[in-house]
Amino acid sequence: NAGVTQTPKFQVLKTGQSMTLQCAQDMNHEYMSWYRQDPGMGLRLIHYSVGAGITDQGEVPNGYNVSRSTTEDFPLRLLSAAPSQTSVYFCASTTENTGISPLHFGNGTRLTVT
Amino acid sequence: AQSVTQPDIHITVSEGASLELRCNYSYGATPYLFWYVQSPGQGLQLLLKYFSGDTLVQGIKGFEAEFKRSQSSFNLRKPSVHWSDAAEYFCAVGALGGGYNKLIFGAGTRLAVHP
Repeated sequence: NAGVTQTPKFQVLKTGQSMTLQCAQDMNHEYMSWYRQDPGMGLRLIHYSVGAGITDQGEVPNGYNVSRSTTEDFPLRLLSAAPSQTSVYFCASTTENTGISPLHFGNGTRLTVT
Repeated sequence: AQSVTQPDIHITVSEGASLELRCNYSYGATPYLFWYVQSPGQGLQLLLKYFSGDTLVQGIKGFEAEFKRSQSSFNLRKPSVHWSDAAEYFCAVGALGGGYNKLIFGAGTRLAVHP
């Protein structure tokens, strides 16, 4: 059982480049989300989805796009990377968005923008 | 404003010693509370959660936490720390029924364990 899989593990971008962080889960979870983790700030929600075809913004959505065409996949796109987007990114999923079932996290993607 | 404070950024304890990690929150609604642990290079794993009922909750890996409404606290404890407990610990608070998109995380406490 793979759980939540994030790729790549590490990425270095130059300012202005674009890229997509991949997230896939094999647990048939309806709820998926993206967080960024910065030192001294904990985790902050970027975007989330309560099911295929449905996405919404979290606390820090600027500079990021998402889509949810299937239940399994929830990619995060950076259209024009900026140094402020240097961070560790986590994808998380759970059965439904009630807060009762536990969130399952991927192992993260460490992104550096120069 | 809703917030979560973990006053200790770093804590160092000796193996076998007891541990208490502090978490204070400010939340207008009835809170539900979580503690997560993050080992190096890993994602977060749920240790325990409090929704209602008994204010002392037991979690995995021998951890427990106590919800004190009067003090707006949800401190994490372990009677005897093992070297494998070295990790970063996050407290999080949300509103009962509010969903994970409303969850607020604290800044984390990094635990080091001396042999």
